[in-house]
Amino acid sequence: NAGVTQTPKFQVLKTGQSMTLQCAQDMNHEYMSWYRQDPGMGLRLIHYSVGAGITDQGEVPNGYNVSRSTTEDFPLRLLSAAPSQTSVYFCASSYVRDGELFFGEGSRLTVL
Amino acid sequence: GQQLNQSPQSMFIQEGEDVSMNCTSSSIFNTWLWYKQDPGEGPVLLIALYKAGELTSNGRLTAQFGITRKDSFLNISASIPSDVGIYFCAGVDNNDMRFGAGTRLTVKP
Repeated sequence: NAGVTQTPKFQVLKTGQSMTLQCAQDMNHEYMSWYRQDPGMGLRLIHYSVGAGITDQGEVPNGYNVSRSTTEDFPLRLLSAAPSQTSVYFCASSYVRDGELFFGEGSRLTVL
Repeated sequence: GQQLNQSPQSMFIQEGEDVSMNCTSSSIFNTWLWYKQDPGEGPVLLIALYKAGELTSNGRLTAQFGITRKDSFLNISASIPSDVGIYFCAGVDNNDMRFGAGTRLTVKP
C-alpha cells in the first residue's frame, strides 16, 4: 500500500494563479482532510470529507475549494493564490473522523 | 474553538537525556493523541489515549491522559538522535480534532 500520496511536493505560484493539490489514498478510508502547517501555528484544518460526495469546512477554509467524487481522491483547489497561502499542506485520511490520521508527505507551496 | 497550548515550543538536549512536554486546554477532550513529524515528512501517530488518568507506553515513550481531561503529557526517556523532529499533541472531542503548535526537539550527539 502506498498510503496517502500527495502531489506536487513543491510548487511556486504567482499571486492570482490557480492550482490544485492532489491527494489520493489506497486504504479505503472514508474520512479525508486537508491541513496547513505554519510556523508556531501547528496544523490547522482547511476542509474535510466524511465520504464520497460529502465535504465540509474546517477552521481555515477561505480561499480553498475541495471535492470528493471518489473515496480515493480529495483534491484541494486554490482559485486565486495569495501570499498568505504560502504554507506546507498536508492531506490526511482515517477510517473515521476522530480516528488515527494517516498523513501524506506534504506539499510546500510558495506564493510570490 | 478549543485551543491547545503545547509547551515547550522547542528543546535542545544532549543524547541520553530525558524529555518532557505537555499540552493543556481550557476545554475537555475525550481522546488525546501524540504525533511525531520527522523533517520533510508528514506526522505519524505515536500514542493514543482514550481514558482520563490513562498512562500508556510505546518503547521509550510514555504518555498520560490528565485526570481533568484538559491536559496530556509525553515523556521520552534516554533520547537518541533519531528522536529529532516536531511532536504534536491533538485533542479530540465530538469528532473535532485540534492540534497543538508543536514542540521542536533537537538532540545533540
